[in-house]
Formats: sequence, structure tokens, C-alpha cells
Amino acid sequence: EVQLVESGGGLIQPGGSLRLSCAVSGFIVGSNYMSWVRQAPGKGLEWVSLIYSGGSIHYADSVKGRFTISRDNSKNTVYLQMNSLRAEDTAVYYCHRLAAPFDYWGQGTLVTVSS
Amino acid sequence: DIQMTQSPSTLSASVGDRVTITCRASQSFSDWLAWYQQKPGRAPKLLIYKASSLGSGVPSRFSGSGSGTEFTLTISSLQPDDFATYYCQQYNSYWETFGQGTKVEIK
Repeated sequence: EVQLVESGGGLIQPGGSLRLSCAVSGFIVGSNYMSWVRQAPGKGLEWVSLIYSGGSIHYADSVKGRFTISRDNSKNTVYLQMNSLRAEDTAVYYCHRLAAPFDYWGQGTLVTVSS
Repeated sequence: DIQMTQSPSTLSASVGDRVTITCRASQSFSDWLAWYQQKPGRAPKLLIYKASSLGSGVPSRFSGSGSGTEFTLTISSLQPDDFATYYCQQYNSYWETFGQGTKVEIK
């Protein structure tokens, strides 16, 4: 059974840093492309970042230079390092894998940026 | 970046209605377009991929069509479980983008 479990969210002050984790079971992270998607309270979905199986990495303009996606194949886990956090980064963060006709989402982890 | 514009933003409909949601892209691309359904407090769920292919376990009342810059999601006969928010997503480029969402409400 495929499972994606996010962790690492919480309350953080503006300018602070957090690292989100997405622990995966049921498929090999290093052989698939993985995305992070976020959803601010009451708002729509926003794509944040992705990492391809070959290692290619891409970011939304809104997080470029502040967020870093990575993976640890030995732990079958994908990470999102978030630095210089802003109030507008407040959201539920989901890890996601589209493997049509299936897709897999974590339960989401809430990041709140506030003083 | 490819921008996706969904319409309408809200739609009021009754059980049994035929519902159509449109997604327009800022530039033409191939058929790497998906539709998702999301209910409050839940992660999204894939309905359609590659513009017109049905996701696993998705009822056949859902269908997708389109190409280039205009794509549609159609629900042939709205069911009570279908009241939710729907998003399109292009995954054609290295920078994926979502539409802003369409909330389908009970009329």
C-alpha cells in the first residue's frame, strides 16, 4: 500500500526556517518525480516545487531562492527546506506524486508563519 | 510560465444537472492536463489526467476534453457526493500550475 506521511510543520516566526519531510512507503522515491503543493487557509492549490527521478529540480517563482527540495533515497523521504519564511507562506503543505491513472497525496502538514 | 484560468469560480447546480467547468491556458500546450476534486479538510483527488483519461476508480459521469489552450471538465449528472471544489493543473512544463478552483454548490 502506498503511503505519504508529511511532518515538520508548525508555528514559526517570520524570517525563520523549517524543514518538512515526506516519508514514503510503497514506491521508490528516487525512481519517481515528487512534488510539493501548498494551500493557504481558504485559498486554492499552489504548486511549490518538484524533483524528478533524474535529479532535476524546479520551483515556483514565489519560493525560488528560499525553498530547497531534496530527497534521501536511503530513507525514501523527500524534504522541503524552507528559509526566510513569510506570512504568505502560511499554508497546508502536501507532498504529491502523480502516477496516472493513480495519484498519491500525503495528509498535509500545516505551516503557520506569524509573530 | 503557463497560467491557468478557470471559470466559473463558483457554480450552483442541482442533483442531476450537467455541469461544465472550463480551464484556459495562457499558452498552448500538449494534453498534460489534470483535473482534481477536493473536499474540505481533505487532500485533492485525481479525476482526469492527460486531458481526457479517467483516473483510477473515478465514476464515468466525469469526463475531460480539450487541447491547446482550452480544456473542460464535465459531470454528466451531478450527484450529492460531487459537491466540492475542482481544480485544473497543467503538468506540461517544469513549472506546474493550478487553476484557481471552481466551487460547485448546491442550488
